[in-house]
Amino acid sequence: AQRVTQPEKLLSVFKGAPVELKCNYSYSGSPELFWYVQYSRQRLQLLLRHISRESIKGFTADLNKGETSFHLKKPFAQEEDSAMYYCALIPRQGGSEKLVFGKGTKLTVNP
Amino acid sequence: EPEVTQTPSHQVTQMGQEVILRCVPISNHLYFYWYRQILGQKVEFLVSFYNNEISEKSEIFDDQFSVERPDGSNFTLKIRSTKLEDSAMYFCASSESSRYQPQHFGDGTRLSIL
Repeated sequence: AQRVTQPEKLLSVFKGAPVELKCNYSYSGSPELFWYVQYSRQRLQLLLRHISRESIKGFTADLNKGETSFHLKKPFAQEEDSAMYYCALIPRQGGSEKLVFGKGTKLTVNP
Repeated sequence: EPEVTQTPSHQVTQMGQEVILRCVPISNHLYFYWYRQILGQKVEFLVSFYNNEISEKSEIFDDQFSVERPDGSNFTLKIRSTKLEDSAMYFCASSESSRYQPQHFGDGTRLSIL
């Protein structure tokens, strides 16, 4: 079965500090990994996906197949980064398109 | 930028009643999804829909649930006889023609069963 684990429910950092939101996954095949973000009172938005290998709003995430991790990182956090962050995967096995989400991490960036 | 829209934003229903949640996907998208999030829990997949039929559904999506695309724009989720445990936030999502395009989410409908 596919599973996404985000071990930190809450994460608090100061502005300008580095931030890392952890994500581990369990899946026997090659999944597609995503980070979604939900700012206060806004919808879930795609932040980035591993196949794009791009940096969005200063965030990056590297897929580590050996550790089955897809941690989200930003070298210098900003107050506007405060939001709920969800790691998710699509298994692709059998043509599945369903997103499997982690429980989310609430990031608070303090001034 | 085009968005997925969902109505109503909040629905309060008596247990046992039928409820229909509505979604208007982004106009050129062909894949449609419903997810739900019970308070304090994960966002969970319910069903995916393509070419006017269900392409995948989860164990949650039992006979009480159904989906429909009644016209060219709307995508609905119906719960026939609601239970207390159906109280959740329900999210609609859509993606483009390619199966490898990201899913875009609506704001959600908060369903409260009394």
